Amino acid sequence: AQKITQTQPGMFVQEKEAVTLDCTYDTSDPSYGLFWYKQPSSGEMIFLIYQGSYDQQNATEGRYSLNFQKARKSANLVISASQLGDSAMYFCAMRELMNYGGSQGNLIFGKGTKLSVKP
Amino acid sequence: GAGVSQTPSNKVTEKGKYVELRCDPISGHTALYWYRQSLGQGPEFLIYFQGTGAADDSGLPNDRFFAVRPEGSVSTLKIQRTERGDSAVYLCASSRTGYNEQFFGPGTRLTVL
Repeated sequence: AQKITQTQPGMFVQEKEAVTLDCTYDTSDPSYGLFWYKQPSSGEMIFLIYQGSYDQQNATEGRYSLNFQKARKSANLVISASQLGDSAMYFCAMRELMNYGGSQGNLIFGKGTKLSVKP
Repeated sequence: GAGVSQTPSNKVTEKGKYVELRCDPISGHTALYWYRQSLGQGPEFLIYFQGTGAADDSGLPNDRFFAVRPEGSVSTLKIQRTERGDSAVYLCASSRTGYNEQFFGPGTRLTVL
């Protein structure tokens, strides 16, 4: 079974509008972390935002916010006021903490969503 | 400061050859990860180092793949008897103890002809 599911292969959004990228996850580990990375056409992976499974509040970083619904096992990324430079692949990822604890351990990635921002 | 660097940026080789891919993590980062990204997919975990030792090598696909990090800094991913299916972008990431973010390098694009 897939641990990270991103059901939107591609999304379009008008510049200056908000967009939500979907992510659901599957784990039996009570402690886990959820990540979003951006990958522009240049190929580098850029960290956007992190949410811990025990965090009470949804994470926010500038124009990025993570809509964390633990019971539904979803961790959607919301980008407000889209910009042309937001056009890229977006990957949701999870780290299960049971094996390592703390902040270390490998990430499990979804297949990504390609976001295109229209002028 | 300098980010994670990887060399070479591109490597073309023939089926059956041996290749080495190098990763230079951010100074002071104790954790180092190798991932492989095939076209149209997300990165897949290969191996994780904590210091000099491989803490988890469960992602290595078979015994043709091996990685070392002898001094706890630079790491080399070694692939023997390359196959066309090994063609992918190999990504390296590092992180600092106590911090969640993994910083990725630009990757090495490996093409096996």
